Amino acid sequence: EVQLVESGGGLVQPGGSLRLSCAASGFTFSSYEMNWVRQAPGKGLEWVSYISSSGSTIYYADSVKGRFTISRDNAKNSLYLQMNSLRAEDTAVYYCARDSSYSYDFDYWGQGTLVTVSS
Amino acid sequence: QSALTQPASVSGSPGQSITISCTGTSSDVGGYNYVSWYQQHPGKAPKLMIYEVSNRPSGVSNRFSGSKSGNTASLTISGLQAEDEADYYCSSYTSSSRKVFGGGTKLTVL
Repeated sequence: EVQLVESGGGLVQPGGSLRLSCAASGFTFSSYEMNWVRQAPGKGLEWVSYISSSGSTIYYADSVKGRFTISRDNAKNSLYLQMNSLRAEDTAVYYCARDSSYSYDFDYWGQGTLVTVSS
Repeated sequence: QSALTQPASVSGSPGQSITISCTGTSSDVGGYNYVSWYQQHPGKAPKLMIYEVSNRPSGVSNRFSGSKSGNTASLTISGLQAEDEADYYCSSYTSSSRKVFGGGTKLTVL
């Protein structure tokens, strides 16, 4: 069974940093591209970042470019999101989501972790 | 990259059919057959319902169908059931190799 479990969320002050993790199981993690998607309270989904299976190709949404860094450790079956210079508008539930094979949809999602940026 | 445009809400009675539209541009919806649809119940993670415009993943009811014409994709739910009440989001691959979501549509089953 495919499982994605996020962790690392919490309360952080504006300008602070946080590192999210996503532990993957039930599939060959190193063969799949991965994403982070976020959802602000009461709002819609927003794609945040993508990383290829090898980690060699990375993309970011304009709203987080230069502040967030996506990475992965295929040996540990884990995906990460380092978030720096956090702003109030980064407050959201952050989901890790797997790209399906040979396509561009998100076929499996984690349960999400809440990040709250507030003083 | 601007969000795709969806109606904020739609409603229908049990047994009826509804359609949710998702309008983008030639740089996303109109340029690729990589439109997907997600169902999200309150407090839950999104669930893939349609991929590549019109394909259903295993386990998704055949009451859900997708299509596309030009820069607009559509999700149709036939034979509405109470459990279909949820938020629905479209997503598309884009010419910048990124992905974009629609603003979401709240479906109410009357």
